[in-house]
This record gives sequence, structure tokens and C-alpha cells, in this order.
Amino acid sequence: EDQVTQSPEALRLQEGESSSLNCSYTVSGLRGLFWYRQDPGKGPEFLFTLYSAGEEKEKERLKATLTKKESFLHITAPKPEDSATYLCAVQAMNYGGSQGNLIFGKGTKLSVKP
Amino acid sequence: NAGVTQTPKFQVLKTGQSMTLQCAQDMNHEYMSWYRQDPGMGLRLIHYSVGAGITDQGEVPNGYNVSRSTTEDFPLRLLSAAPSQTSVYFCASSHQDQPQHFGDGTRLSIL
Repeated sequence: EDQVTQSPEALRLQEGESSSLNCSYTVSGLRGLFWYRQDPGKGPEFLFTLYSAGEEKEKERLKATLTKKESFLHITAPKPEDSATYLCAVQAMNYGGSQGNLIFGKGTKLSVKP
Repeated sequence: NAGVTQTPKFQVLKTGQSMTLQCAQDMNHEYMSWYRQDPGMGLRLIHYSVGAGITDQGEVPNGYNVSRSTTEDFPLRLLSAAPSQTSVYFCASSHQDQPQHFGDGTRLSIL
């Protein structure tokens, strides 16, 4: 069964304290892995897409990496404005009849204190 | 450029009532989808469409209907609302295989 698991469920950091969020996946053929950020009361906002093991993407204080079984979202020297829920999702080769469909993890709620 | 627009933002219904959640996008995306988000469950796919006139079921389609008469609009209909359908509903759109753009959701409570 295709599934996505994110850990930890919640993470509290002090401003400037670097850390990583984990997304492990089991899919029958990965087409792409996506990271989204979701603020309270808002829809998910796209951050990164990764397609193959070894690929890395960076944006400001965030860096996403991908292996054959998991992805990490590294947060370097976070600021309070990085506080949000971070969602991981995958597109699988044969999920739900469309290659566009996403399978989401439950998310990691990040809180960064000043 | 408005992106993905969902209306209404909030709605309270009584059990058994029907209603339509609206979703419109102005990016000419062929792919559109509906998700529900529940605490501890993550986003789950309800229905999706790969183009005008084409719809299909996702992971949790029971109790919901969709139609896609135009590229821009993808309404979600609740036929007879049940308390288990209390949730936050998100609409998304994209070009095939591209990152999906999400609306800001409709918060639905069913009493």
C-alpha cells in the first residue's frame, strides 16, 4: 500500500537552532515528492519538488533532500516566521488512476520561539 | 492573478442538508482535485478531474459528487450532509505532473 509517514508530529525550536524534518514513503514507483508549507487557516503552499534519489533543492533557510526511501527538510538557523506545518506528499506511478494524484503525510508542526 | 478561489470560506449545515462548495481557477490548469483535511488524518483525496467533462473518484468519495463542465470550475456537492463530513475542504489545480496550487479552504461544520 502506498503511504507517506512524517516525523516528528511536532517540533519546537529556539530561533537559530537548526534541525530536520523527516518524510518516509512507500510507493509503487515514485514520480515525484513534494514539500508544502501550511499556515493556520490557509491552504498548502508549494515549496519543493524532488524527482530522484540524490536530488537536493534549497530556498532561503530550507533545504530538501531525497533518498530512495525518505526525504528530509533541513531548516538552518530558523526564525519565528518559519513556524508552520510542513507537509510531504508523493505522486506514485499507479495511484488512483491519475499520475497527478498526491498522497499526503500528516505533517510536522514546527514552532520556532524567539 | 487570483489562483484558486474557494467559496464560501465558512459554512454551517444541518444533518441532511445539501450544498455545493465552489472552486474556480484562472490558470488554465487541466487537473483539479478536492481534498478534505481532518485532525490527525492529513489531506485525503475526494475526487479529481483531468480535464473538462472528465471526473473520477479518489480515496474518500462517498457522499460527494463533482462535475467539470468548464476548465475553470470544479464544484463539490454534498448530497445529504452528515456530521462525519465536518472538515476543512481544499481545492487544488495544476498542469499534469506539476505542483498543485491550493485554495485557502472551506471550513464546514455539520450539526
